[in-house]
Amino acid sequence: DGGITQSPKYLFRKEGQNVTLSCEQNLNHDAMYWYRQDPGQGLRLIYYSQIVNDFQKGDIAEGYSVSREKKESFPLTVTSAQKNPTAFYLCASSIHWGTGEAFFGQGTRLTVV
Amino acid sequence: EDQVTQSPEALRLQEGESSSLNCSYTVSGLRGLFWYRQDPGKGPEFLFTLYSAGEEKEKERLKATLTKKESFLHITAPKPEDSATYLCAEISGNTPLVFGKGTRLSVIA
Repeated sequence: DGGITQSPKYLFRKEGQNVTLSCEQNLNHDAMYWYRQDPGQGLRLIYYSQIVNDFQKGDIAEGYSVSREKKESFPLTVTSAQKNPTAFYLCASSIHWGTGEAFFGQGTRLTVV
Repeated sequence: EDQVTQSPEALRLQEGESSSLNCSYTVSGLRGLFWYRQDPGKGPEFLFTLYSAGEEKEKERLKATLTKKESFLHITAPKPEDSATYLCAEISGNTPLVFGKGTRLSVIA
């Protein structure tokens, strides 16, 4: 089955640690996105990639980094510079840039302990 | 200022009690208006795309409409399984999807 897979589902991070969230899609989509969702809030864009080997900062990129070395994969690293990383992280893909029909993964819930 | 504003924040309905959710969007340069459903602890699921004023889309008990200033998600005779957060999103200009904060719908049997 085609889809988008995020792992892990739950992740705990100690203060000062970097952690990497995985996102893989087998939909052959060009564009991929990372969003952050806090309780009672909508989705805020962290980074996006229109095509492989290219990515741009979204509205809240500080303290995060990404790579897009393969079309299928768009991992997100939450660095120690991100002061409030506890949140629900969602990865999405769309067939092309500018397409509003996006497919989302099931999310990773990150908690700082 | 939020580009996409949804109201109400939360809505509680009795089973069978029809209602509407509202989404106000950036008027200039709209390239598409989108509705998603999100269940607790899961990723959003795409529902509808609307491109121009007057357009309507339907799926089971849901109907999405678009005017020149806002979009509505009409829910007819809702059932408890329709309980979820409904998110509105837009693409305008060359921006990626911008989401509203959502309306949390509870349907009580």
